[in-house]
Amino acid sequence: NAGVTQTPKFQVLKTGQSMTLQCAQDMNHEYMSWYRQDPGMGLRLIHYSVGAGITDQGEVPNGYNVSRSTTEDFPLRLLSAAPSQTSVYFCASSYGPEGYTFGSGTRLTVV
Amino acid sequence: GQQVMQIPQYQHVQEGEDFTTYCNSSTTLSNIQWYKQRPGGHPVFLIQLVKSGEVKKQKRLTFQFGEAKKNSSLHITATQTTDVGTYFCAGRRGQTSYDKVIFGPGTSLSVIP
Repeated sequence: NAGVTQTPKFQVLKTGQSMTLQCAQDMNHEYMSWYRQDPGMGLRLIHYSVGAGITDQGEVPNGYNVSRSTTEDFPLRLLSAAPSQTSVYFCASSYGPEGYTFGSGTRLTVV
Repeated sequence: GQQVMQIPQYQHVQEGEDFTTYCNSSTTLSNIQWYKQRPGGHPVFLIQLVKSGEVKKQKRLTFQFGEAKKNSSLHITATQTTDVGTYFCAGRRGQTSYDKVIFGPGTSLSVIP
């Protein structure tokens, strides 16, 4: 039981590049979400999904896309990276309205 | 929109002293969750409170949910160096996973040995 797995752990992008942050969970959790964490800002919700085929926007969705084709996977796509997207990204999942299990995070730097 | 605030932002204590962080929501919550994040790590779920006035304990940690379900607190008795980290509260307005959880900005705890 691996929990929530995020890849890569570290990434450096040039402005304008695109990439996909991967998130997979093996707990059969229906709910998955992406947060970004910036100093002094706490965790801000980017996008979330309550099941395969269902996604919705969070607090800061601009510049990011998501899809949920399976229960296990919830990738986050950066369409055209900007320096303002430099952050630590966490994927989280839960079973219903219970506490979240977080992945170990992806540290992204956009130069 | 819904806002969740936490005070203090930072707290430095001597080992053995008590510590309390407070969480306040602009709206009534259906439940509140608490998480701990060690430096360089990821948030780890500690507990969820659901009932008005609920109090739960985990060893030296005591969690309270206010009567109006708009505020909460986490109290640590006799802090240890292992308590170092950032403590986040997270509030949910609705009853289901369709309802977003909004995190507070966190309280960073430093423990001086």
